[in-house]
Amino acid sequence: NAGVTQTPKFQVLKTGQSMTLQCAQDMNHNSMYWYRQDPGMGLRLIYYSASEGTTDKGEVPNGYNVSRLNKREFSLRLESAAPSQTSVYFCAILTGGKDEQYFGPGTRLTVT
Amino acid sequence: KQEVTQIPAALSVPEGENLVLNCSFTDSAIYNLQWFRQDPGKGLTSLLLIQSSQREQTSGRLNASLDKSSGRSTLYIAASQPGDSATYLCAPKGDNFNKFYFGSGTKLNVKP
Repeated sequence: NAGVTQTPKFQVLKTGQSMTLQCAQDMNHNSMYWYRQDPGMGLRLIYYSASEGTTDKGEVPNGYNVSRLNKREFSLRLESAAPSQTSVYFCAILTGGKDEQYFGPGTRLTVT
Repeated sequence: KQEVTQIPAALSVPEGENLVLNCSFTDSAIYNLQWFRQDPGKGLTSLLLIQSSQREQTSGRLNASLDKSSGRSTLYIAASQPGDSATYLCAPKGDNFNKFYFGSGTKLNVKP
């Protein structure tokens, strides 16, 4: 997971609270991604950013917003958390050339 | 939409055994396929990436093969060790930077 950092590692929220998950890379790559991982469902793409200043929806964007203010950072915001958003969230980057994905260590979120 | 299936969902083998993990996908129009390892509570670690034009890729005791036309990839692990115990995920990539699809993984347990 070298090169992709995520904060926080763990978070517990109450229904209706908001929070922002942070992701940063030190590898100067254009494309960044947010996934959620739920038991038995694999990883599902929430949002992605092809380059600085651009974002687009993935497979499961409802209830989330993202921000890519610079090349290094890509944040995921939950405006009003719901128990269905209890999950492990992963940030990933895409290297150029081979199009290989590298993942951060994840944020484990529980919404009660 | 690409559907990715990994069989078996779980596998338990004695140390030293050679084993094969299977990944099948429904859309053969892929750009590459990546195999990951995930340890409990951790992020995804990239093991091997096979380009669509390749048939095999090797790294140490790991060998991944790709048969794009039949929608299959296998991950061969030679002389398994307890340290290989983890969940293994495959992820074929489509022709766009946002087209990643993940299987639910095979959970491997190698018994000493």
